[in-house]
Amino acid sequence: EAGVTQFPSHSVIEKGQTVTLRCDPISGHDNLYWYRRVMGKEIKFLLHFVKESKQDESGMPNNRFLAERTGGTYSTLKVQPAELEDSGVYFCASSQRQGSYNEQFFGPGTRLTVL
Amino acid sequence: GNSVTQMEGPVTLSEEAFLTINCTYTATGYPSLFWYVQYPGEGLQLLLKATKADDKGSNKGFEATYRKETTSFHLEKGSVQVSDSAVYFCALIRNSGNTPLVFGKGTRLSVIA
Repeated sequence: EAGVTQFPSHSVIEKGQTVTLRCDPISGHDNLYWYRRVMGKEIKFLLHFVKESKQDESGMPNNRFLAERTGGTYSTLKVQPAELEDSGVYFCASSQRQGSYNEQFFGPGTRLTVL
Repeated sequence: GNSVTQMEGPVTLSEEAFLTINCTYTATGYPSLFWYVQYPGEGLQLLLKATKADDKGSNKGFEATYRKETTSFHLEKGSVQVSDSAVYFCALIRNSGNTPLVFGKGTRLSVIA
């Protein structure tokens, strides 16, 4: 079974440009999470989808970030316009829905560099 | 609020040395605790977990015990290998259910032959 995949693996853009990151969760996983790690700091939660609905977006830093999960399958995270402080590694994770805590499976991350 | 503090790295050890990576947490209620590992070029993988006080999580020779009295979850391994070189993250979930993970900053471990 395929794991969580993310595209692209690396992205280098200039300040003010737009970037869209994509995450494909494990098939059948209703929960999808986005996290971000700024260099040398903690991995921080951005938002959580249950199917196509945003369950929790309390970690989104500002309105330059827009996440979608149309149809409850893959998700995109768009940054527009990008700023220098948006640089970091963006991780996506997915988990099954039923029951209490279900292990979150992580993708390899997208390394975003804003120049 | 909920937070995780783990020892700063990087940590460099010789093969077969003993490893300890300290982790303490602050949380309301009774969190579940985790160690994740990120090998070079890969995503985060769950290494071990403990869901209640005094539980011991173990996997691949690594162990960590949930200590409520000291709010700690230190990671240990008796004899590290070169293949253990990775970044290790301590994390918690504040309660049951599919809530987000709260991570520490990560500790980079390098094991040399």
